[in-house]
Amino acid sequence: EAGVTQFPSHSVIEKGQTVTLRCDPISGHDNLYWYRRVMGKEIKFLLHFVKESKQDESGMPNNRFLAERTGGTYSTLKVQPAELEDSGVYFCASSQDVENIQYFGAGTRLSVL
Amino acid sequence: QKEVEQDPGPLSVPEGAIVSLNCTYSNSAFQYFMWYRQYSRKGPELLMYTYSSGNKEDGRFTAQVDKSSKYISLFIRDSQPSDSATYLCAMRGGSNYKLTFGKGTLLTVNP
Repeated sequence: EAGVTQFPSHSVIEKGQTVTLRCDPISGHDNLYWYRRVMGKEIKFLLHFVKESKQDESGMPNNRFLAERTGGTYSTLKVQPAELEDSGVYFCASSQDVENIQYFGAGTRLSVL
Repeated sequence: QKEVEQDPGPLSVPEGAIVSLNCTYSNSAFQYFMWYRQYSRKGPELLMYTYSSGNKEDGRFTAQVDKSSKYISLFIRDSQPSDSATYLCAMRGGSNYKLTFGKGTLLTVNP
């Protein structure tokens, strides 16, 4: 069974540009999460989807970030326009079982120059 | 005060040593406690998952939770070079699915 996959693994963009990150959860997992780790800090929650609905987006830093999960399958996280402080590793996780064990992808390393 | 405190290390031990990793937390609503292992350039991988207070053992790994002290631990017995990684504690409340992480402790086991 394929795990959580994320694309791209690394993205380098200039300040002001737009970047879209993609996450494919484990097949059948209704819950999908985005987290972010910036340099020197802990991994922090961004938002939680249940199927195509946003259940909790309390961790989204500002309105430059837009997450979607059309059809309740894969999800995208768009940053527009990107700022220097958006650099970090963006992780996606998914879960299905009642214990809500979250399985993580390898992450997308975003560098904003 | 951060919700979860974890000493980032680094921690370096000889092969075969017993390793003790710890986290403290401030939010009494946390009920589920996890330890993830993360190798370089990989995603966090779940090692241990415990609910409320108590001990849980899985092979060389033992997780302990003391809710009265707001303190959790992970013990690794007979540590191996392949255990070299960053260990992250994570926790969440009962009805809230979002995980709150510690900063992670970088462990190196020397052959």
